[in-house]
Amino acid sequence: EVQLVESGGGLIKPGGSLRLSCAGYGFIFSNAWMSWVRQAPGKGLEWVGRMKSKAVGGTIDYAAPVKGRFTISRDDAENTLYLQMNSLKTEDTAVYYCTTVWLGYYDSEWGQGTLVTVSS
Amino acid sequence: DIQLTQSPSFLSASVGDRVTITCRASQGISSFLAWFQQKPGKAPKLLIYAASALHSGVPSRFSGSGSGTEFTLTISSLQPEDFATYYCQQLNSYPLTFGGGTKVGIK
Repeated sequence: EVQLVESGGGLIKPGGSLRLSCAGYGFIFSNAWMSWVRQAPGKGLEWVGRMKSKAVGGTIDYAAPVKGRFTISRDDAENTLYLQMNSLKTEDTAVYYCTTVWLGYYDSEWGQGTLVTVSS
Repeated sequence: DIQLTQSPSFLSASVGDRVTITCRASQGISSFLAWFQQKPGKAPKLLIYAASALHSGVPSRFSGSGSGTEFTLTISSLQPEDFATYYCQQLNSYPLTFGGGTKVGIK
């Protein structure tokens, strides 16, 4: 059974940095394309970014609001995906989910999410 | 960026009703569309991929149709566990985008 477990969320001041982790179980992590999706409190889903497997180049794409501030990376030896978030803004407050990408397109499995609150 | 407009944003329905949700794309996306269901406090679940293919384990009362710019999600006979918020997502081009969501409430 595929399982994704996010961690690293918390309360951080504007301008600060935080790194989220997503540990994957039950699948061959190194072959997986992975995404981050966020959801602000009471709002809809917002795509953050996606990283392909290293076997196909490890290409990363980002949404415009986070490009240049957030960095997605992975450690296949540790079966872990990361989201490094710098220069955080209050509008980055959200639950952050990691997902596995199926068939090269579809976010098929989701973690339980981790809450990031950016507030002074 | 491709914008997705869902309608309605909220609907109230009764158990047994047929429910249809529409998702319109600002430009053609072929069939690169997914539908998700989300319940309060839970992660979204993939229901439909490639516009009309039912994801594993999803009840057959859910169906999707459409291509190009107009898509629909239909629940043929609403069940108590189907009261939730539904989102469409386009996978045609980056940045990937979601619709604003449709909340299905109890009438």
